[in-house]
Amino acid sequence: DAGVIQSPRHEVTEMGQEVTLRCKPISGHDYLFWYRQTMMRGLELLIYFNNNVPIDDSGMPEDRFSAKMPNASFSTLKIQPSEPRDSAVYFCASSLRAVYNEQFFGPGTRLTVL
Amino acid sequence: AQSVTQLGSHVSVSEGALVLLRCNYSSSVPPYLFWYVQYPNQGLQLLLKYTTGATLVKGINGFEAEFKKSETSFHLTKPSAHMSDAAEYFCAVSELPSDMRFGAGTRLTVKP
Repeated sequence: DAGVIQSPRHEVTEMGQEVTLRCKPISGHDYLFWYRQTMMRGLELLIYFNNNVPIDDSGMPEDRFSAKMPNASFSTLKIQPSEPRDSAVYFCASSLRAVYNEQFFGPGTRLTVL
Repeated sequence: AQSVTQLGSHVSVSEGALVLLRCNYSSSVPPYLFWYVQYPNQGLQLLLKYTTGATLVKGINGFEAEFKKSETSFHLTKPSAHMSDAAEYFCAVSELPSDMRFGAGTRLTVKP
């Protein structure tokens, strides 16, 4: 298996622009997580899905953030409009309930908002 | 709710020396415990995990960790540090598949 795939790996945009981050989880995994990592706040859980259904989005910082999972093999995290404080590394992870909750992480998307 | 405390945000060791990264957890039920490693500009990679059974867990790259219920600890060790071990290490605890709590991370520096 190719592991969790994220695109793009790097994104540089200007304040006010819409940003869409993409994730392909490991095939067969039933949980998908979006995290944000910054120096100040460390690793934060933004939202997670179970069987494509959003379960807990309490970590989403503002209404500017939204996430979807239209099918078992694809998820997006959208920021509209983007702000400089959104600059961070965004990770997607997936897991299979039956395997002791282990999460497999993608390589991350480094977002810079100018 | 479960939580994790990593003692020491930065640890520096000499090459060949013992590596000891400390992790304490709190959990209301027997937890699953994990150590992840993050190399620069990469995602988190699982080093090892404790689920049930043997309390001494061996992982990749010569790392191991011991689950001590009485001390609520899951410290990570490696007998001899290599330069390639320089990275950030995260301890995590999970009671449910949907709820993994990560520590703040410990940055390991290895001096030649």
